Amino acid sequence: QSALTQPASVSGSPGQSITISCTGTSSNVGSYDLVSWYQQHPGKAPKLIIYEVNKRPSGVSNRFSGSKSGDTASLTISGLQAEDEADYHCCSYAGTPYVFGTGTKVTVL
Amino acid sequence: EVQLVETGGGLVQPGGSLRLTCVVSGFTFSNYEMNWVRQAPGKGLEWLSYISGSSTTIYYADSVKGRFTVSRDNARNSLFVQMNSLRAEDTAVYYCARDFGGSIGFDYWGQGTLVTVSS
Repeated sequence: QSALTQPASVSGSPGQSITISCTGTSSNVGSYDLVSWYQQHPGKAPKLIIYEVNKRPSGVSNRFSGSKSGDTASLTISGLQAEDEADYHCCSYAGTPYVFGTGTKVTVL
Repeated sequence: EVQLVETGGGLVQPGGSLRLTCVVSGFTFSNYEMNWVRQAPGKGLEWLSYISGSSTTIYYADSVKGRFTVSRDNARNSLFVQMNSLRAEDTAVYYCARDFGGSIGFDYWGQGTLVTVSS
């Protein structure tokens, strides 16, 4: 399975909203509502922030939301804060069973 | 508190072998599927392997199939990956990650252990 495609970088000012896309194929993102998103600060382990396309684990800010349309999933961060500056990775069930995205660096200007 | 701790990383020559261990605590290990995920320097995450709670189902990414072998010891709360025929491109931080279940994803991660393949 080839990696899902994410933009290399996205930036925004504090308080703004940004959206990160995650494009796969009909074999992964398009076929299953099993997309998850992970936040990773430098030198740290990834942290689950969205699962099953749009569900948030307990304790994750409601500023993070997910959606999906066809073969593309999206993560939206609303009310951008300095602490949101990190790398974000999408992941989809793909039958084998998983494939990750290429990763996106979010910069808070 | 759920904890996952990886050990066993280090410097190894191309063609060499290494065995990584992930010791877990804070949950009933045998009830959970587990995974290995790696991250090459400056790159994204790459899923490597999945093992079911009873070890009856195992999957590998094509990039490591035939070279890596995942196993677990539920009595010792431990997950392993035996890595053989290592290549420079295997250089990465290796994470163990607990499977959320139902192919949803990974809800807990270890801190990672660095494997460097170089002569």
